[in-house]
Amino acid sequence: GAVVSQHPSRVICKSGTSVKIECRSLDFQATTMFWYRQFPKQSLMLMATSNEGSKATYEQGVEKDKFLINHASLTLSTLTVTSAHPEDSSFYICSARGVSAADTEAFFGQGTRLTVV
Amino acid sequence: QKEVEQDPGPLSVPEGAIVSLNCTYSNSAFQYFMWYRQYSRKGPELLMYTYSSGNKEDGRFTAQVDKSSKYISLFIRDSQPSDSATYLCAMSEQGAQKLVFGQGTRLTINP
Repeated sequence: GAVVSQHPSRVICKSGTSVKIECRSLDFQATTMFWYRQFPKQSLMLMATSNEGSKATYEQGVEKDKFLINHASLTLSTLTVTSAHPEDSSFYICSARGVSAADTEAFFGQGTRLTVV
Repeated sequence: QKEVEQDPGPLSVPEGAIVSLNCTYSNSAFQYFMWYRQYSRKGPELLMYTYSSGNKEDGRFTAQVDKSSKYISLFIRDSQPSDSATYLCAMSEQGAQKLVFGQGTRLTINP
């Protein structure tokens, strides 16, 4: 299957600082990438849909000013958690589908475990 | 009512058993169905991808889709301890970008 690389896999940051997470599709172009948050023993919660060359679409209840998404190219999307607080500690996962985004398999990155202290 | 329902388990079976995992859904417009395996602290890994109704087999894994009943299944034959993980079903409408996930079923295969 296709490969989606997410970096870093783990990060610890101090409260009030910002953290950037990268998501790359290594062997295919992804017009659209998705960012999820996952709490322990729970399913994936979609945060936003990232579109190359345009603004991200955020799900209801997700603060767009806190979770900044940039989709600079067909293979790279970044999620920046700004002014992080302990309640932002979670497992963040990105996903990408093929160029058409719809009607194709979705592949996931390895996930990033964020701990805010 | 959730769009996709999946029993969270936990489900525990002995090694070698046949495992049956299921999801039901309410949206008749769903056309694409996926099963993912997620190990602890890792991203989901795509196991099976099917379109519309029917069966699909890949090694020890078989996916079934019954659109008339709005019911999908994943069967694991000759289960191994390495199959212990959380299994997530996901589905989407034709032309839609987003996937809708089930809650995930935690599976343990006991040696």
